[in-house]
Amino acid sequence: DTGVSQNPRHKITKRGQNVTFRCDPISEHNRLYWYRQTLGQGPEFLTYFQNEAQLEKSRLLSDRFSAERPKGSFSTLEIQRTEQGDSAMYLCASSFGGSSSYNEQFFGPGTRLTVL
Amino acid sequence: GQNIDQPTEMTATEGAIVQINCTYQTSGFNGLFWYQQHAGEAPTFLSYNVLDGLEEKGRFSSFLSRSKGYSYLLLKELQMKDSASYLCAVREDAGKSTFGDGTTLTVKP
Repeated sequence: DTGVSQNPRHKITKRGQNVTFRCDPISEHNRLYWYRQTLGQGPEFLTYFQNEAQLEKSRLLSDRFSAERPKGSFSTLEIQRTEQGDSAMYLCASSFGGSSSYNEQFFGPGTRLTVL
Repeated sequence: GQNIDQPTEMTATEGAIVQINCTYQTSGFNGLFWYQQHAGEAPTFLSYNVLDGLEEKGRFSSFLSRSKGYSYLLLKELQMKDSASYLCAVREDAGKSTFGDGTTLTVKP
């Protein structure tokens, strides 16, 4: 069984560099979500895809963040010109979105980003 | 704006019962979830409520009152492994879910 996977698990970068994270959802799931979580806080919604379409993006997300899901399977999250405030755990989740409103999200292990 | 409140920390004794409360004010409501998150790990699903009332699932139960914007998670027969953070999350629409900051539960022998 392959749950949601994320790569890399850890990333250390210098301020100003670009980073890209990958998420592979559960294969039959058509919805994919990105969250950011800092210590002592709950996950903060960043963006959401249904198949390849990006349907919602947090207004808190600056233009330095971009996400894609080109074939409706895996997704990438890119952060350009990283800042120290971007240091966080980036979580990906997936779910099967059908007619039922009960769509449990399954989370991946996360990518921990440290910006020096 | 969106607001989800839950206590920051709780402590309980092994074998006891604990109730973790959550109040919410969100622009939309399409269900309330509870997740468990152990330190350094991803959240895992515990329960889901969309209608008022109690949902029971083994040692865990969750209650919802939509008119009061209130939910609670009830954990019975506490075990040491239940020490974790418990996250209340409201799904506002098909995509976006807003999470509380979590309640860190410590179970003592």
